[in-house]
Amino acid sequence: DTEVTQTPKHLVMGMTNKKSLKCEQHMGHRAMYWYKQKAKKPPELMFVYSYEKLSINESVPSRFSPECPNSSLLNLHLHALQPEDSALYLCASSQDWMRGRTTNEKLFFGSGTQLSVL
Amino acid sequence: AQKITQTQPGMFVQEKEAVTLDCTYDTSDQSYGLFWYKQPSSGEMIFLIYQGSYDEQNATEGRYSLNFQKARKSANLVISASQLGDSAMYFCAMREGQHMKTSYDKVIFGPGTSLSVIP
Repeated sequence: DTEVTQTPKHLVMGMTNKKSLKCEQHMGHRAMYWYKQKAKKPPELMFVYSYEKLSINESVPSRFSPECPNSSLLNLHLHALQPEDSALYLCASSQDWMRGRTTNEKLFFGSGTQLSVL
Repeated sequence: AQKITQTQPGMFVQEKEAVTLDCTYDTSDQSYGLFWYKQPSSGEMIFLIYQGSYDEQNATEGRYSLNFQKARKSANLVISASQLGDSAMYFCAMREGQHMKTSYDKVIFGPGTSLSVIP
């Protein structure tokens, strides 16, 4: 099983709503990532979890709150989003993530959640 | 400063022909990894091929090969015998390995090239 599964595939929410994006992998990977991708742009890193601990936060606004309940699951909690937050949110995993040792770690991506904020 | 440059926003190729997608990168690290990913309209990013900075041979994976020219800092993707299913966005990416830098171990993506295969 080499899949990263993301739900929901599509999400429409108002600026006052609270919603969550979910990501799951069963490859035994210990690193998981959230990326944000605007149309016709490359993905931008938001968060990295390594061994269930937050390792990188790319100065993401607090209205985005990540959570890693266990090594297979990654959530992204959304609250009071802005219309400019509308984008494709991609989850990814890799086998491991250790500083200075993982230049060859390839990322496995999910299909993403297309988020629209009204 | 942009670390990954892909100078071809859009490319067209005839089915069954070969195509080269350009990628140049900028790093002062000695250890780094270069990747190519494919993103069809469905949205999923699909890993295609990897080249390590210390690898002496060019990487190959089926119909994909990577033309790695370290001195020129280029890592072009060559797709042989193009198929209609190859129509997608292609992203060149790099992971730097030098510790103590704020950017290390982050995968940095280039702006992408949109490839269209014509029947």
